[in-house]
Amino acid sequence: EAGVTQSPTHLIKTRGQQVTLRCSPISGHTSVYWYQQALGLGLQFLLWYDEGEERNRGNFPPRFSGRQFPNYSSELNVNALELEDSALYLCASSPSGISTDTQYFGPGTRLTVL
Amino acid sequence: AQSVTQLDSQVPVFEEAPVELRCNYSSSVSVYLFWYVQYPNQGLQLLLKYLSGSTLVKGINGFEAEFNKSQTSFHLRKPSVHISDTAEYFCAVSKTSYDKVIFGPGTSLSVIP
Repeated sequence: EAGVTQSPTHLIKTRGQQVTLRCSPISGHTSVYWYQQALGLGLQFLLWYDEGEERNRGNFPPRFSGRQFPNYSSELNVNALELEDSALYLCASSPSGISTDTQYFGPGTRLTVL
Repeated sequence: AQSVTQLDSQVPVFEEAPVELRCNYSSSVSVYLFWYVQYPNQGLQLLLKYLSGSTLVKGINGFEAEFNKSQTSFHLRKPSVHISDTAEYFCAVSKTSYDKVIFGPGTSLSVIP
């Protein structure tokens, strides 16, 4: 069974640009989570989608947005990139829309903003 | 808001010695608690979770954790560590089954041969 996949693996952008990160959940999983893992800050919760709807949102500015498609894959968009957006962006999926489900994580997308 | 504290950012320990990684959470009526591990250059994976019932939870790779409601703690333990246990360990909490999962800052465990 294929795990959670994310693309691209690495990305380099400059300040002010926009970026789109992609995540494909494990087959059969309906929930997708996005986290930001910046150096020394642990995992910061960004967004949670389930069945195509935004379930919850973390304390990030509106320039962080996303969506979930009918096939449950998901995109994370970041507009007007700032230097502090440099981080590893992790996607996770779970079988259903309850937080007690185990989350299965992808390898992440490393974003560098210059 | 729910929060998680992992007091030790780094824990060095000799191989075959016991280890305890500490986790405290802000109190709530009820919580669900998790420990995830991130091995070098790998994604996170679940070690164990507490949902209800017995306060002693056993996980993979010989790890266990004890839920202590009065001390709002969920410390992770292993009686004898191996080199392969070197990783970043994250404690996490969710207030309800429909609330987001909040992760702690992580504890870096280094096992010394």
